Amino acid sequence: DAEITQSPRHKITETGRQVTLACHQTWNHNNMFWYRQDLGHGLRLIHYSYGVQDTNKGEVSDGYSVSRSNTEDLPLTLESAASSQTSVYFCASSEIPQETQYFGPGTRLLVL
Amino acid sequence: QQQVKQSPQSLIVQKGGISIINCAYENTAFDYFPWYQQFPGKGPALLIAIRPDVSEKKEGRFTISFNKSAKQFSLHIMDSQPGDSATYFCAASIAGNTPLVFGKGTRLSVIA
Repeated sequence: DAEITQSPRHKITETGRQVTLACHQTWNHNNMFWYRQDLGHGLRLIHYSYGVQDTNKGEVSDGYSVSRSNTEDLPLTLESAASSQTSVYFCASSEIPQETQYFGPGTRLLVL
Repeated sequence: QQQVKQSPQSLIVQKGGISIINCAYENTAFDYFPWYQQFPGKGPALLIAIRPDVSEKKEGRFTISFNKSAKQFSLHIMDSQPGDSATYFCAASIAGNTPLVFGKGTRLSVIA
């Protein structure tokens, strides 16, 4: 069965360190998204991609970057982790950009 | 700028009762309105969706009511069960290359 996976599931890091969160999908979807979820803020879009070599900024992109070298993967990099980036991060993919998104299980990140 | 306003933030309903969650939007170009359900520790998953050409869509105990003139849509959960306890997100999107815009979520607790 097709799926979307995220790794690691839990991560503790220190302020200033570079962190990369992995997202891998086997749906063969062109469209992939990264969100962060915080209490009181819901799901906020960080970056998204509509295909290989395509990346776009979302609502809260500062301090984050993505690159898309193949269809299956969209890694999210925190260039210099800050305590404000402590959150739960979700990756999602979709066949049609604005319609049904399939979410991964999430990565819980703690920045100390 | 919050494009989709969701209320209430939290909701407690007795088992067997009706749960109602509301969302309002400003952008009249939105033409797809999904609801996502998220259980603790999991990623959100599509529950039900509607397009503005219909005023209501029902799937089992879940119903979306859509009021185009008022720019509002709501999720009704009939005969609410403890297993429905989850966070619910409304969302909206425009046809074309624009991602979903999510509401901030409603935490539903169904108590016996």
